[in-house]
Amino acid sequence: ETGVTQSPTHLIKTRGQQVTLRCSSQSGHNTVSWYQQALGQGPQFIFQYYREEENGRGNFPPRFSGLQFPNYSSELNVNALELDDSALYLCATRVDRGSDTQYFGPGTRLTVL
Amino acid sequence: GESVGLHLPTLSVQEGDNSIINCAYSNSASDYFIWYKQESGKGPQFIIDIRSNMDKRQGQRVTVLLNKTVKHLSLQIAATQPGDSAVYFCAPTVGGYQKVTFGTGTKLQVIP
Repeated sequence: ETGVTQSPTHLIKTRGQQVTLRCSSQSGHNTVSWYQQALGQGPQFIFQYYREEENGRGNFPPRFSGLQFPNYSSELNVNALELDDSALYLCATRVDRGSDTQYFGPGTRLTVL
Repeated sequence: GESVGLHLPTLSVQEGDNSIINCAYSNSASDYFIWYKQESGKGPQFIIDIRSNMDKRQGQRVTVLLNKTVKHLSLQIAATQPGDSAVYFCAPTVGGYQKVTFGTGTKLQVIP
């Protein structure tokens, strides 16, 4: 077990809706990254948060946004959902942004109809 | 941008044999490389890593080889076991941590 949990496990939304996914990490892990993993593909980096501020972003539009809280939990928000947003969303935490080792959660499976 | 590819999308090996999973990357600035294992229904799990100043690193039953000249790395699994069945990703990074690029993955199937 990695000590990283995500909720919900599965989620179904319709196109145009908004969704919030949650991630909780071990105490002391002040860096969290979010990834999108389409079926049959590798995870794609969305963004990273360090001490509650975004400090790195992949090629995702602004409708993908995030928050990190002082208790080390974090959220991924996606507005105006599109069918192509259907994927497994993974969060990964690090002890510190300079740490190489990431601990992945089990993911949230999002289906957009 | 970075492109990462794997030579074999699916690899089937007999239990007890050695497995070799290959990965090619395109960004010559990549300086840190990680191999992940992802089992069905789970997030990726760290297996082994290697830095660009090394060409070989060994772990428990796993060895990673890095050839920076041709931008290629491989993961060798000794005495493959059924529990090794999973999808394996190589993930080159630049700057060590900020943006990790995953390839498509290789599915390893172990035949009992």
